[in-house]
Amino acid sequence: AQTVTQSQPEMSVQEAETVTLSCTYDTSESDYYLFWYKQPPSRQMILVIRQEAYKQQNATENRFSVNFQKAAKSFSLKISDSQLGDAAMYFCAYRSPPSGTYKYIFGTGTRLKVLA
Amino acid sequence: GAGVSQSPSNKVTEKGKDVELRCDPISGHTALYWYRQSLGQGLEFLIYFQGNSAPDKSGLPSDRFSAERTGGSVSTLTIQRTQQEDSAVYLCASSLRAENQPQHFGDGTRLSIL
Repeated sequence: AQTVTQSQPEMSVQEAETVTLSCTYDTSESDYYLFWYKQPPSRQMILVIRQEAYKQQNATENRFSVNFQKAAKSFSLKISDSQLGDAAMYFCAYRSPPSGTYKYIFGTGTRLKVLA
Repeated sequence: GAGVSQSPSNKVTEKGKDVELRCDPISGHTALYWYRQSLGQGLEFLIYFQGNSAPDKSGLPSDRFSAERTGGSVSTLTIQRTQQEDSAVYLCASSLRAENQPQHFGDGTRLSIL
């Protein structure tokens, strides 16, 4: 069965600095999707970035980028120039390939604190 | 509306009562997902719908949990004979299609069982 592990329950970063959140996963599939979601105190989950496993190039969205290491089954999120609004819970998620059940597997999350 | 809408936003009920949670997906979204988020935990997949059918119900914790979707739109998650361990935030998400479209989440329903 697929699993997603986020080993950092909490991280802190100084405003304007860079922080990296870790995520590892386990799967026997070769094609799948990986996501990072942000959940602020408002509870709504917001998609930050996604990566298709067949793409070697790391996904980038403005200040957010990933380091996707397929062989190592690692999918870390780098936030550059951290802002106070980045403070939230961040969840890493795995999704089965199109031929699968479309089930999403989420990690337990990393709480990011941004210090002014 | 523009986003996924869930109601009620908060629900407090006594142990043993039945509860019904509602999700209105984004118009035109064919895929709909239900998750449970317990305090300090990640999201636990419950069920997903493609149209009105549920190809994967494997996440439903027990036979007290059921869900339906009608007209390819609104979905309800029903919990019968609620137990205290059912207390959690129940999140709904929808996507344009299940295959490769990202999910859009609602704000969730916080369920508290006394």
